[in-house]
Amino acid sequence: NAGVMQNPRHLVRRRGQEARLRCSPMKGHSHVYWYRQLPEEGLKFMVYLQKENIIDESGMPKERFSAEFPKEGPSILRIQQVVRGDSAAYFCASSPIHQGEITQYFGPGTRLLVL
Amino acid sequence: DAKTTQPPSMDCAEGRAANLPCNHSTISGNEYVYWYRQIHSQGPQYIIHGLKNNETNEMASLIITEDRKSSTLILPHATLRDTAVYYCIVVADSWGKLQFGAGTQVVVTP
Repeated sequence: NAGVMQNPRHLVRRRGQEARLRCSPMKGHSHVYWYRQLPEEGLKFMVYLQKENIIDESGMPKERFSAEFPKEGPSILRIQQVVRGDSAAYFCASSPIHQGEITQYFGPGTRLLVL
Repeated sequence: DAKTTQPPSMDCAEGRAANLPCNHSTISGNEYVYWYRQIHSQGPQYIIHGLKNNETNEMASLIITEDRKSSTLILPHATLRDTAVYYCIVVADSWGKLQFGAGTQVVVTP
């Protein structure tokens, strides 16, 4: 049973370009979370999605960032017009249908570098 | 979710047990204690979780005090590969947004 998959593992973008980060949850998991880890800082929650629904986006920057989890295919974190401050590691986690205990399993992350 | 307090760092000798403390004095009755670790900027790895009872799995043991205000993660036989930042996180049973603190940097030495 494959774990959470993220691609690309490394992404280099120039300022003003768009970055698309993909996350395929574990088989049978219908909940996806995105977290960001800035250099030398801790992990911060960004957004929580279920299939075709955004449940909580309280950690998402107000502009340029968006996320989706379509009925088919991976979850996408999209960053428009990237700036140097977006350089970070972006981690995706997934969990099964919620029934009390919720254990999130993380992917290996995407390292975004903005030049 | 309740906040947690962990020591910033710990050293442990290879082969010895590592005991990682965590205080969560404001924990509510429906909140779980979760432990994750992050090895050198890899994705966080789930270790163990518990509500009231002590728990054990193939990775570690979790001891929760009777009043639930603190807990201890025990790595029974630390290896060099256990060097990581360990996070103690309290999570409500709603939908489980994880709030990572600074964690404890554990260094296992030969």
